[in-house]
Amino acid sequence: GAVVSQHPSRVICKSGTSVKIECRSLDFQATTMFWYRQFPKQSLMLMATSNEGSKATYEQGVEKDKFLINHASLTLSTLTVTSAHPEDSSFYICSASWGSTEAFFGQGTRLTVV
Amino acid sequence: AQRVTQPEKLLSVFKGAPVELKCNYSYSGSPELFWYVQYSRQRLQLLLRHISRESIKGFTADLNKGETSFHLKKPFAQEEDSAMYYCALRSYGGATNKLIFGTGTLLAVQP
Repeated sequence: GAVVSQHPSRVICKSGTSVKIECRSLDFQATTMFWYRQFPKQSLMLMATSNEGSKATYEQGVEKDKFLINHASLTLSTLTVTSAHPEDSSFYICSASWGSTEAFFGQGTRLTVV
Repeated sequence: AQRVTQPEKLLSVFKGAPVELKCNYSYSGSPELFWYVQYSRQRLQLLLRHISRESIKGFTADLNKGETSFHLKKPFAQEEDSAMYYCALRSYGGATNKLIFGTGTLLAVQP
């Protein structure tokens, strides 16, 4: 299957700083990328959907100014958590697909804000 | 609004027993439904999708539009089936699309 790589896999940052998470499709062109947040022992909560070259569509309750998503190319999308606070600590997962095919998932990024 | 419901958080069965993981959905259009599996310490991966109508690792799932269900079944559970299973719905609307997940069911197959 296709490979999606997330970087970093773990990051610790200080409260008030920003952190960027990258999601790359390694062997296919991803027309759509999804960003999820997963709390411990809970399901994946869709944060936003991004299509290459257009603005991301955010789910209700997700602050677009706090979670900046950029999908500038067909192989890269980034999620920037701005002015991070401890409550932003979570597991962030991206997935990518092209057309209506299945979505392939990254390994996730564990963000800890101290 | 789109919604995926998995009523069971945990399903524990013995090896060789039949398994049925329940999934119900709410969607006004024609849904595309998937089952994803996450084994311990691994990333999510696709198990099967309804349009393929195939059996993967002995699992099958039939879309029942009348009951808005997409239950996952396997006649004889194996210990290696122990994992977290997520039902997912993909919807298409306008210029974007969504892939939303149910809350997941942890399948534990006892020896």
